[in-house]
Amino acid sequence: QKEVEQDPGPLSVPEGAIVSLNCTYSNSAFQYFMWYRQYSRKGPELLMYTYSSGNKEDGRFTAQVDKSSKYISLFIRDSQPSDSATYLCAMRDSGGSNYKLTFGKGTLLTVNP
Amino acid sequence: DAGITQSPRYKITETGRQVTLMCHQTWSHSYMFWYRQDLGHGLRLIYYSAAADITDKGEVPDGYVVSRSKTENFPLTLESATRSQTSVYFCASSETGGAFFGQGTRLTVV
Repeated sequence: QKEVEQDPGPLSVPEGAIVSLNCTYSNSAFQYFMWYRQYSRKGPELLMYTYSSGNKEDGRFTAQVDKSSKYISLFIRDSQPSDSATYLCAMRDSGGSNYKLTFGKGTLLTVNP
Repeated sequence: DAGITQSPRYKITETGRQVTLMCHQTWSHSYMFWYRQDLGHGLRLIYYSAAADITDKGEVPDGYVVSRSKTENFPLTLESATRSQTSVYFCASSETGGAFFGQGTRLTVV
């Protein structure tokens, strides 16, 4: 079993739709959870950063973490064509002497005008 | 410019050659990382560093060497390039939050 599982998609939605992206993980030591957006031929860009369980909202984006189920989600409201990208979940444990991230393989999202 | 810069952006090299990918960050972040991104594998950690002169192996370190003599620089060297090292390489840095990535180096080994 991979440490982080992410549905690769592709996911295609009409403009204005609500998008739900998800990851599951197996390592109960993970405490910090992130979502990255990656446009084609660009580096990943940090979108959301959350600690432990709960919700975090930033504009049209909401990140949810359910540690009891080892499940995290990213919701995009009122999706726009500019949201078309690959979305990567990432997570790490409490740190100690390193802050290395474990990534899902990414979900390719296309928002159609 | 502030941020994290990788060079070169594109590189073609021959099998058996040594090649070095450069990474420079201006934030003075303690942690730096090298990832490779391949279709079907996602981002995989090659090496990371917690501070100057402290480095450690990641998931796929074989065939790679790193050094970190200064906080801001973290070069990655392929000692003898192989075709399986054809990939997109990303450098990243972080402090206490999430990691910030460079734009990547697209390396082709022929």
